[in-house]
Amino acid sequence: QVQLKESGPGLVQPSQTLSLTCTVSGFSLTSYHVSWVRQPPGKGLEWMGVIWTGGSTAYNSLLKSRLSISRDISKSQVFLKMNSLQTEDTATYYCARGGGYSEDWGQGVMVTVSS
Amino acid sequence: DVVMTQTPVSLPVSLGGQASISCRSSQSLVHSNGNTYLHWYLQKPGQSPQLLIYRVSNRFSGVPDRFSGSGSGTDFTLKISRVEPEDLGDYYCLQSTHFPWTFGGGTKLELK
Repeated sequence: QVQLKESGPGLVQPSQTLSLTCTVSGFSLTSYHVSWVRQPPGKGLEWMGVIWTGGSTAYNSLLKSRLSISRDISKSQVFLKMNSLQTEDTATYYCARGGGYSEDWGQGVMVTVSS
Repeated sequence: DVVMTQTPVSLPVSLGGQASISCRSSQSLVHSNGNTYLHWYLQKPGQSPQLLIYRVSNRFSGVPDRFSGSGSGTDFTLKISRVEPEDLGDYYCLQSTHFPWTFGGGTKLELK
């Protein structure tokens, strides 16, 4: 059974770095790409980036300077790091299986940026 | 970046009725390999998005045939026939032909 679960701090201070983990099961990170998508409260979806099966990455150009996606295959984990957080980064962050279109999504983790 | 414009923003429907959502892109979504990477998602209240349609017209596993996708180039449509209560929520189109991938702004399907 395919599962993805996001984890990380619920509250981050402005200017700090956000670190999130997506722990997957039921599939291998070498067989499926993993994407990150976020959604501010009451707003639409924003694609953030993807890590391909080979380990390379692609990012939303608007976030590229602040965003990094990596993985640990042995732990079946994908990591998102984004620095210089501002209040507008407050959102639910999702990881999803697949690139292009995602068949399975995590439940999401709400991150609030506030002092 | 490719801008995806969804209309309408809100779509009141009656149960058993039909709904149609438009998604238009600021440039052609035909990839150099000939495929068109336009997909549709439904996000029910309090839930994660779920894939409905991939590559314009392919229903994802388990998606009822009441859902159909069509279109080409820059103009795409999602149609829902015989709307049921579980169809209510926010619908999004997504293009993954051009980087960065971009979502439409969403369409809220609600009861009339």
